[in-house]
Amino acid sequence: AQSVAQPEDQVNVAEGNPLTVKCTYSVSGNPYLFWYVQYPNRGLQFLLKYITGDNLVKGSYGFEAEFNKSQTSFHLKKPSALVSDSALYFCAVGSGGATNKLIFGTGTLLAVQP
Amino acid sequence: DTAVSQTPKYLVTQMGNDKSIKCEQNLGHDTMYWYKQDSKKFLKIMFSYNNKELIINETVPNRFSPKSPDKAHLNLHINSLELGDSAVYFCASNMPHAGSGQETQYFGPGTRLLVL
Repeated sequence: AQSVAQPEDQVNVAEGNPLTVKCTYSVSGNPYLFWYVQYPNRGLQFLLKYITGDNLVKGSYGFEAEFNKSQTSFHLKKPSALVSDSALYFCAVGSGGATNKLIFGTGTLLAVQP
Repeated sequence: DTAVSQTPKYLVTQMGNDKSIKCEQNLGHDTMYWYKQDSKKFLKIMFSYNNKELIINETVPNRFSPKSPDKAHLNLHINSLELGDSAVYFCASNMPHAGSGQETQYFGPGTRLLVL
């Protein structure tokens, strides 16, 4: 069965510092991995995805993620955090097949302190 | 223009009532979904429709009944509401690439349901 894990409930980082939000995956077949962000009382916004090709994926708002097959990880990164990046971040895997659903991790709350 | 829209945004109701949530997408997508986000922010698929045909029904109680009048709309009707139904319900849509799992899903703003 496909699954993703986000080992940290919360990540705290100072504004201007680099940030990493961790995600590991377990899939059979090719992994199709996604990051979404949820701002307070808002819907989910798509940040980026890995389908194939370059292991470093660039997305919206200066975020990027690195796909690492040997470590089965897909960590979200940003070189310099902003206070406005504070939000709930979800890693997800696309199940493919007939159901074609997203399977989400438990979410990581990113808090960027000024 | 909003790509995926939901109404209402907030819904407060009494236990035992019946309510509906509506979803519309103007992206021309074939597939629409309902997800439930519980109080711990955990997100889980409930239903999926592809071109008005039910594809996914993830062990959701029979009190929940989705209806897709056309491929741009997916509504969720809930009978006999229970306290445990309180959650945020998200609609999403995508254009699946032969069910590959590659296609990005676009989410609506959510409907915050509170059952008293």
